[in-house]
Amino acid sequence: RKEVEQDPGPFNVPEGATVAFNCTYSNSASQSFFWYRQDCRKEPKLLMSVYSSGNEDGRFTAQLNRASQYISLLIRDSKLSDSATYLCVVNPYNFNKFYFGSGTKLNVKP
Amino acid sequence: NAGVTQTPKFQVLKTGQSMTLQCAQDMNHNSMYWYRQDPGMGLRLIYYSASEGTTDKGEVPNGYNVSRLNKREFSLRLESAAPSQTSVYFCASSDMGSMSNEQFFGPGTRLTVL
Repeated sequence: RKEVEQDPGPFNVPEGATVAFNCTYSNSASQSFFWYRQDCRKEPKLLMSVYSSGNEDGRFTAQLNRASQYISLLIRDSKLSDSATYLCVVNPYNFNKFYFGSGTKLNVKP
Repeated sequence: NAGVTQTPKFQVLKTGQSMTLQCAQDMNHNSMYWYRQDPGMGLRLIYYSASEGTTDKGEVPNGYNVSRLNKREFSLRLESAAPSQTSVYFCASSDMGSMSNEQFFGPGTRLTVL
């Protein structure tokens, strides 16, 4: 079983739409959670960390559900520039490895 | 503050040739990582270094060696390149043990082995 699983998509949405991605993880000892954004042929860049109480950064909201072992990313009022692949990343406590999902591709259309 | 830098950006090798990918970070991070990313797949960890002087295997270490030269630099060596090693290679660093332990990535090296 993969450590981190994501729906690969693609999610095709119109501008202005709200879209949500989920990601499940298998290691209940995971302590740090992140969403990264990766543009085509570029390096992954941190979008936001995910905190236990959930957190928001502008149009982006991240949630953590430890009981069900998943994290989510909600994007409101989608922009064309949001088109990218979104990677879910988890890091078990005190463990020097990060586990990446395969990514969810988002296409925002005019 | 350049963050994480990698050289070269592109490389074409013939089967059997060797090369070293260089990575450096200026954020004083203790941990550094090498990943490969193949089309349609997530990042797979090749090797990592928790601190200067230590290295450990990741998920796909076969065919690679690494050197943590100092706190700043972490190199990846292909001793005898194979077509299966055609990939995009990313180096990353993080400040493990801190409150903010997210990884920062370099721009990648696109390697083709013919």
